[in-house]
Amino acid sequence: QKEVEQNSGPLSVPEGAIASLNCTYSDRGSQSFFWYRQYSGKSPELIMFIYSNGDKEDGRFTAQLNKASQYVSLLIRDSQPSDSATYLCAVRLGARQLTFGSGTQLTVLP
Amino acid sequence: DGGITQSPKYLFRKEGQNVTLSCEQNLNHDAMYWYRQDPGQGLRLIYYSQIVNDFQKGDIAEGYSVSREKKESFPLTVTSAQKNPTAFYLCAGRGLHALEAFFGQGTRLTVV
Repeated sequence: QKEVEQNSGPLSVPEGAIASLNCTYSDRGSQSFFWYRQYSGKSPELIMFIYSNGDKEDGRFTAQLNKASQYVSLLIRDSQPSDSATYLCAVRLGARQLTFGSGTQLTVLP
Repeated sequence: DGGITQSPKYLFRKEGQNVTLSCEQNLNHDAMYWYRQDPGQGLRLIYYSQIVNDFQKGDIAEGYSVSREKKESFPLTVTSAQKNPTAFYLCAGRGLHALEAFFGQGTRLTVV
């Protein structure tokens, strides 16, 4: 079982819709969780991080964490074509390095 | 201009050659990381360093070497022992008490 799993997609949503990206992780001791956005040919940029159960909102983005079920999700409201990218989920256990999922490719259709 | 700077942006290597990728930061990050990304794949950890003069192997360290002689610098050498080095290489840094890591612009290495 991979440590961090994401649906590779591609996921397509119409402009203005809600995009929902999901990630599961295997290590119950994982403590902090990150969502990065990566445009084609570019480096990942941090969108959000979360470490407590529940929701964390930042503008159009909401991260949701459920440690009991070992999943973390990212919701993008009012999706825009500029949101089209690959979204990487990353997990860290304590002070260890980040472990990344393989990413979900999102396309927002105008 | 601050941040994590990787150079060069593109690098071509002949088979059998060693090449060194540069990663410099002026954010006073204690921890620095090297990741490799293959097309359509996530990031895999090569090496990381938590403090100067100390570094640890990641998941795919074979064929690579690093040094951390200064806090600001964490160069990665891709040796001839790395049989499939063509990939996108990403350097990242993290502050001592920070949760998040930030990436440089990446170096795309191609074997010719």
